[in-house]
Amino acid sequence: SQELEQSPQSLIVQEGKNLTINCTSSKTLYGLYWYKQKYGEGLIFLMMLQKGGEEKSHEKITAKLDEKKQQSSLHITASQPSHAGIYLCGADGGSGYALNFGKGTSLLVTP
Amino acid sequence: DTAVSQTPKYLVTQMGNDKSIKCEQNLGHDTMYWYKQDSKKFLKIMFSYNNKELIINETVPNRFSPKSPDKAHLNLHINSLELGDSAVYFCASSQPNSPLHFGNGTRLTVT
Repeated sequence: SQELEQSPQSLIVQEGKNLTINCTSSKTLYGLYWYKQKYGEGLIFLMMLQKGGEEKSHEKITAKLDEKKQQSSLHITASQPSHAGIYLCGADGGSGYALNFGKGTSLLVTP
Repeated sequence: DTAVSQTPKYLVTQMGNDKSIKCEQNLGHDTMYWYKQDSKKFLKIMFSYNNKELIINETVPNRFSPKSPDKAHLNLHINSLELGDSAVYFCASSQPNSPLHFGNGTRLTVT
């Protein structure tokens, strides 16, 4: 089965600083999904990456998938308190019918 | 215009009881899921249904029984609740190779 490892587990950054979260897969990624979960709420879809070398951006968040399709990174520029939450990467485990998720990265942005 | 809605939001019950969580999606998706998120925020797939047919049934105790009366509904019934069942349960839906849309979760507390 596919395992996704996220790092770091938790992150505390000062407002305005940049940060990066990594997601490494034990197998080739055929679809990598980034989600954000605010504390006590559901998961919000951020971005989906499928092609090696692909990069997508939305507002101040950029996600990349490496050429070998085994690692993805999520980069936040000039972080704000609204970016706080848990970031999870998910990938198709091969069944085509469900995503396996990493254990999440908890982000806190301090004023 | 809730896309994936699940009820109840909170469920507090005693050990040994039987309870159900309901989920409905109005996105016209073919596939629906149940995920369990434990206290460490790890999100794990439990079941996946495609057009009312069970596709994925992970290692889940037989006390958990999903039921899909139609494509838009996937309910989760739990018999003989145990302390270890306490968690947040998320319903989700999707189309093939597309992001999952999650409900806001049901926080189950077994006392």
